[in-house]
Amino acid sequence: AQSVTQLGSHVSVSEGALVLLRCNYSSSVPPYLFWYVQYPNQGLQLLLKYTTGATLVKGINGFEAEFKKSETSFHLTKPSAHMSDAAEYFCAVKGDFGNEKLTFGTGTRLTIIP
Amino acid sequence: GAVVSQHPSRVICKSGTSVKIECRSLDFQATTMFWYRQFPKQSLMLMATSNEGSKATYEQGVEKDKFLINHASLTLSTLTVTSAHPEDSSFYICSARDPGGGAYTQYFGPGTRLTVL
Repeated sequence: AQSVTQLGSHVSVSEGALVLLRCNYSSSVPPYLFWYVQYPNQGLQLLLKYTTGATLVKGINGFEAEFKKSETSFHLTKPSAHMSDAAEYFCAVKGDFGNEKLTFGTGTRLTIIP
Repeated sequence: GAVVSQHPSRVICKSGTSVKIECRSLDFQATTMFWYRQFPKQSLMLMATSNEGSKATYEQGVEKDKFLINHASLTLSTLTVTSAHPEDSSFYICSARDPGGGAYTQYFGPGTRLTVL
């Protein structure tokens, strides 16, 4: 079975500062990992994904994430926060072989301080 | 990129009535769609997996007779909340897998806010 743990339900950073959102996963098979962003009263938008290959994945809006198998982590980073980054961020892992279900973490609300 | 729409975006209904929510993939054909429910300030909980031309697969604890899912075409899945009650009030989000998107990527609709009075 798969599971995702997002450390920190709320993260606040100053505008221009580094953004770091943590995600650790558990998976019985090589994982497919995803980060999604949700703005208020909206659906989820895919930021980036890791499947195989390069462990550093670049996504939209300047975000990137690094898959670290030894640490079972897939932390999301952005070098310089912008006010428009304020949103809820969800990490997710795909199910076992042939299982398309996504298991989501509990989410991290990112607040940007002007 | 792949676009998924939902209709309506917001619905208010009286207790005991039924509400239908539509989920459409606009620029791709989706053999598989997913329905999620999200409570305030919480994560998404998968309700069911909808496969075109076959019965939906419901997650444990989800009442299939209350949450009717139909996936009649490759671009449309519907969720009908039957005999809705206030506890069914929630944010319902659908997603669709784009076969051309690779790596089982799901694209999400904008969600439907259901309020049952």
